[in-house]
Amino acid sequence: AQSVTQLDSHVSVSEGTPVLLRCNYSSSYSPSLFWYVQHPNKGLQLLLKYTSAATLVKGINGFEAEFKKSETSFHLTKPSAHMSDAAEYFCVVSDRWGGGNKLTFGTGTQLKVEL
Amino acid sequence: DGGITQSPKYLFRKEGQNVTLSCEQNLNHDAMYWYRQDPGQGLRLIYYSQIVNDFQKGDIAEGYSVSREKKESFPLTVTSAQKNPTAFYLCASSIDSQEYSYEQYFGPGTRLTVT
Repeated sequence: AQSVTQLDSHVSVSEGTPVLLRCNYSSSYSPSLFWYVQHPNKGLQLLLKYTSAATLVKGINGFEAEFKKSETSFHLTKPSAHMSDAAEYFCVVSDRWGGGNKLTFGTGTQLKVEL
Repeated sequence: DGGITQSPKYLFRKEGQNVTLSCEQNLNHDAMYWYRQDPGQGLRLIYYSQIVNDFQKGDIAEGYSVSREKKESFPLTVTSAQKNPTAFYLCASSIDSQEYSYEQYFGPGTRLTVT
């Protein structure tokens, strides 16, 4: 069975400072991992994905994440936060199951960006 | 513009009434999914469909029903048997593959309130 743990439910940073959102996963197979972002009352938008190619994955809006198998982690980072980054972020793991993609979502991290 | 549309954005119903949420995609994806989102719980899978005229229960299917008569459409009915129907409902679609975990693309969501 697969699972995802987002270690912080809320993170607050100042504009221009680095962002770190932490995610640990558990999977029986070689997983695919994703980060999605959700702004209030909107759908989810894909930020980046890891699918067993390069362990350092670059995404949209300056975000990146590093897959560390030994630590079972997939933390999301950004060097400099912008006000528009304030949103909820979901770490997601995917296993193949029955021929379909089963996504397991973390409970989300709310990112607040202050002036 | 390719994407997923959900309608309506907000929906209000009285307890005891069935209600149908619309989901349409023009991405030519075989697989479609319905999720429910509640605060602090991430997303939970209700139903999914990998091909027209076939669908499977997800983790929380009780009180819900779906149909998949066309590739581009996957409506969800919330029945009166669903005990806590008030939630944010998200539809998604993806390429379906036996070998690879593709990312899912999400619609903007429908917020259902039942009183």
